[in-house]
Amino acid sequence: KAGVTQTPRYLIKTRGQQVTLSCSPISGHRSVSWYQQTPGQGLQFLFEYFSETQRNKGNFPGRFSGRQFSNSRSEMNVSTLELGDSALYLCASSLSAQPSHLNTEAFFGQGTRLTVV
Amino acid sequence: GENVEQHPSTLSVQEGDSAVIKCTYSDSASNYFPWYKQELGKRPQLIIDIRSNVGEKKDQRIAVTLNKTAKHFSLHITETQPEDSAVYFCAALTGGGNKLTFGTGTQLKVEL
Repeated sequence: KAGVTQTPRYLIKTRGQQVTLSCSPISGHRSVSWYQQTPGQGLQFLFEYFSETQRNKGNFPGRFSGRQFSNSRSEMNVSTLELGDSALYLCASSLSAQPSHLNTEAFFGQGTRLTVV
Repeated sequence: GENVEQHPSTLSVQEGDSAVIKCTYSDSASNYFPWYKQELGKRPQLIIDIRSNVGEKKDQRIAVTLNKTAKHFSLHITETQPEDSAVYFCAALTGGGNKLTFGTGTQLKVEL
């Protein structure tokens, strides 16, 4: 069974540009969450999608957006990049959408390392 | 908002000793608490988790305890080995759905 796949693995962008990152969840998983990881702030929740709907959103500016497709693949977009957006962006997929369900385990992808110069 | 505090930020132990990492959470509605291990340059990987209807869970050398009243949960690693060296993150499922709020991480170093 393939794991969570994120593309690209590395990305260098210039301030002001925009970027799109992709995440393919484990087959059968319908929930995809995105996290930003930086040395200073740790792992910060960006948003979560389930069945093409955003279920949760973290405290990030509107420049950060995402979407999910009918095959559960998800993309996140960051517009007007700032130097502070440099980070490792991780996505995680989960089998179920509700905490009460047994399979709530979140599996992470390898991440996309974004560098803004 | 939801908050998870984790201590200590760094922990150095001798091989064979035990290591304990502690976390507290603020959202009383949280009912799922996973622990992740992240080695340098790699993805976070789940090592153990606990649900709010259980007080303790063990898996070989790793155990997690949960005190719902105090909103504390802890990771215990016994007989530590050099390969246990990594950053460990606690997390709590908060706000419904699959939103995980993470602690700030503990850098564990197991010395020979």
